[in-house]
Amino acid sequence: SAVISQKPSRDICQRGTSLTIQCQVDSQVTMMFWYRQQPGQSLTLIATANQGSEATYESGFVIDKFPISRPNLTFSTLTVSNMSPEDSSIYLCSVGLGYEQYFGPGTRLTVT
Amino acid sequence: AQTVTQSQPEMSVQEAETVTLSCTYDTSENNYYLFWYKQPPSRQMILVIRQEAYKQQNATENRFSVNFQKAAKSFSLKISDSQLGDTAMYFCAFMKTFSGTYKYIFGTGTRLKVLA
Repeated sequence: SAVISQKPSRDICQRGTSLTIQCQVDSQVTMMFWYRQQPGQSLTLIATANQGSEATYESGFVIDKFPISRPNLTFSTLTVSNMSPEDSSIYLCSVGLGYEQYFGPGTRLTVT
Repeated sequence: AQTVTQSQPEMSVQEAETVTLSCTYDTSENNYYLFWYKQPPSRQMILVIRQEAYKQQNATENRFSVNFQKAAKSFSLKISDSQLGDTAMYFCAFMKTFSGTYKYIFGTGTRLKVLA
């Protein structure tokens, strides 16, 4: 398994601003994923961020809105840009070890 | 496209009893992986159990076991001797591989409450 931390754990932001979420892993991993989850609902994959390649975005998510960085094998960031209230959600990062994914604790974002 | 269906939005079970959560999926692939994840209230997602499609034997992890019916595309989770700490949202997930990478497709979840 892996120990994954995310910063911040929660934030309240004003519309039109941007927030960068950090994801740190305690071991080197190739595959990292970013998800969005409305409270009590399922997970929606935003993008896959593999080290050494550009992030791959799912339908409905674009790089200008959700830019991702993956500078090394233990760290990634997701930025939520030009936020609107519709972006209020929980954002989760996960890492792939073999075919298993391990999740961070999430960042709860509220946009006012 | 692959889909994952969890038809039970909510379930409850008495402590020490057994409960089964259902999951069906749709795929044309032959080799894949299936998972159950647990998300306790306000806590982290935890991997409960996984099943490789090429294995006929059902996976077991302590009190958790699966009933994998490949032909029926069914993947249910059985929790034996339910404990209060099993109260959580449970997600079934299908893993799709492609181009040297993979992604998960999650079901909508089943909220399980264990009653004292």
